[in-house]
Amino acid sequence: QVKLQQSGAELVKPGASVKLSCKTSGYTFSTSYMSWFKQIPGQSIEWIGMIYAGDGGTDYNQKFKGKATLTVDTSSSTAYMDLSSLTTEDSAVYFCANSRYWGQGVMVTVSS
Amino acid sequence: DIVLTQAPLSVSVTPGESASISCRSSKSLLSSKGITSLYWYLQKPGKSPQLLIYRMSNLASGVPDRFSGSGSETDFTLKISKVETEDVGVYYCAQFLEYPWTFGGGTKLELK
Repeated sequence: QVKLQQSGAELVKPGASVKLSCKTSGYTFSTSYMSWFKQIPGQSIEWIGMIYAGDGGTDYNQKFKGKATLTVDTSSSTAYMDLSSLTTEDSAVYFCANSRYWGQGVMVTVSS
Repeated sequence: DIVLTQAPLSVSVTPGESASISCRSSKSLLSSKGITSLYWYLQKPGKSPQLLIYRMSNLASGVPDRFSGSGSETDFTLKISKVETEDVGVYYCAQFLEYPWTFGGGTKLELK
């Protein structure tokens, strides 16, 4: 069955960066798209961007350009999202999702 | 950006009764290919969103046929007939017609 397994919760200091992972199985990752989303608890969902695993091509929500960088490793069927220059406004749950399934989400807390 | 406005903010339903949720788009979601790119998700408490309806009226695999979607180019409805306890959570509409992809504010379904 299709699985998207995300890395564990992160506690990071303001100004730091963090790299989130999304390891997939059960489908052909190398020719698929992966999107990332942000959700502050109790609020709605924002789309961050999408990457095509076939060639690494990306599309970003303008709001997250410079904040998020999406990459993939097709050898391990894993997608990554780097979040840089973190502030308290980046504290949220981040999800990866293909066209049908979502990861379980990872809580990122930015605090000194 | 395309704005999706959901109503009501919350709905309280007796098990076995029906519920309807509205989603209004600030722009037509009908593509040049004749596809209406409106999706419905349910996010159960503490879980990641799960796809219910894709392209306005198509039931995702594994989703009970108690769920149905309908609409026009800008006004959409999710109907849940014979609500069950497992239907509790927050329902979101989303548009994947143009970047940035956007979500509605959510409708919380509770049981009476």
